[in-house]
Amino acid sequence: AQSVAQPEDQVNVAEGNPLTVKCTYSVSGNPYLFWYVQYPNRGLQFLLKYITGDNLVKGSYGFEAEFNKSQTSFHLKKPSALVSDSALYFCAVRDLLYYGQNFVFGPGTRLSVLP
Amino acid sequence: GAVVSQHPSWVICKSGTSVKIECRSLDFQATTMFWYRQFPKQSLMLMATSNEGSKATYEQGVEKDKFLINHASLTLSTLTVTSAHPEDSSFYICSARPTGLSPLHFGNGTRLTVT
Repeated sequence: AQSVAQPEDQVNVAEGNPLTVKCTYSVSGNPYLFWYVQYPNRGLQFLLKYITGDNLVKGSYGFEAEFNKSQTSFHLKKPSALVSDSALYFCAVRDLLYYGQNFVFGPGTRLSVLP
Repeated sequence: GAVVSQHPSWVICKSGTSVKIECRSLDFQATTMFWYRQFPKQSLMLMATSNEGSKATYEQGVEKDKFLINHASLTLSTLTVTSAHPEDSSFYICSARPTGLSPLHFGNGTRLTVT
């Protein structure tokens, strides 16, 4: 079975400081990993994905994520946070071993960037 | 590219009535679409997988007679909440992907309030 954990319900960071939103996963085969962002009363917007290749993945709005196979983690990062980054962030995984399986989403982490 | 449109954005209905929510893939064909429900401050719960030309696949615990899904074309899936009750009030989000390895692309969601 596949699962995703986001250990922090809430992350607070000052504007201009680096931010990290944590994600760990569990799959039987190889993971196909995603980060999404959700603004209030909106659907989810795709930020970035990892399927293979370079462990550091760059995505939209200056976000990046680092895949760490040994730690089964896929943490989201940004060098300098903006107030407008304040939103709900979801990590998701699909197990590539099971092509037909759906995505599993983590519980979400609320990011607050303080001016 | 890969835009998913969901309509309406919000709807208020009286208890006992039915509500239809539409999900359209605007620039790609989607043989499969997904319907999620999101409770306040919680993650997405997959309700069902909508399959073009065939019956939807419902997740355990989701009443298929209450949440009717129709996927009549490669660009349109509808979710009808039948005989709605206040406990059906929630945020419903659809998603789709152009290919099996594409990220999921989400509609902007529908806020349903049943009075």
